[in-house]
Amino acid sequence: EDQVTQSPEALRLQEGESSSLNCSYTVSGLRGLFWYRQDPGKGPEFLFTLYSAGEEKEKERLKATLTKKESFLHITAPKPEDSATYLCAVQGGETSGSRLTFGEGTQLTVNP
Amino acid sequence: ETGVTQTPRHLVMGMTNKKSLKCEQHLGHNAMYWYKQSAKKPLELMFVYNFKEQTENNSVPSRFSPECPNSSHLFLHLHTLQPEDSALYLCASSQARREQFFGPGTRLTVL
Repeated sequence: EDQVTQSPEALRLQEGESSSLNCSYTVSGLRGLFWYRQDPGKGPEFLFTLYSAGEEKEKERLKATLTKKESFLHITAPKPEDSATYLCAVQGGETSGSRLTFGEGTQLTVNP
Repeated sequence: ETGVTQTPRHLVMGMTNKKSLKCEQHLGHNAMYWYKQSAKKPLELMFVYNFKEQTENNSVPSRFSPECPNSSHLFLHLHTLQPEDSALYLCASSQARREQFFGPGTRLTVL
């Protein structure tokens, strides 16, 4: 059974204070690891897909990296508008179909 | 309209009511999904449709009944729900097994 654990559950940063969010996973044959951002009362917004260990992707102040056991979402010099819940999900091999297994998320608050 | 839309955005219903949630995707995708999101719990996959055919039912109670008349529209019919069914119901779509794009959700409250 695929499993995803995200840490920390909640993170408070000052504006400009860089940090990282962690996503640890176990999956049978990783097909893809996905990062989403979710604002309160809204649906998740797609950020990145990572397919293989060593892969990195960047978007503005966000950078996602992947190893064989975990993924990190690095936030450089965050701004208050980066405050949201960040979700990680994995998609396993052929027997998993298109199913995504989500973690519980990290709630990020960036104070001005 | 662009992306994935859902209606209604908010719904309050009694346990004896029958209601339906609607989802429409404008992305040309061939797969659609229903998820349930409860407080302090990960997103739970409920149903998957590929090319209008249901390919996954994640042990969802029969009081939830999905319908997919075509690859752009997805419904979730609700009847005799329980208070513990109160949650945010999210629809998503994807092209095959690629990244899924979510709608804004329907906030459901069962009294």
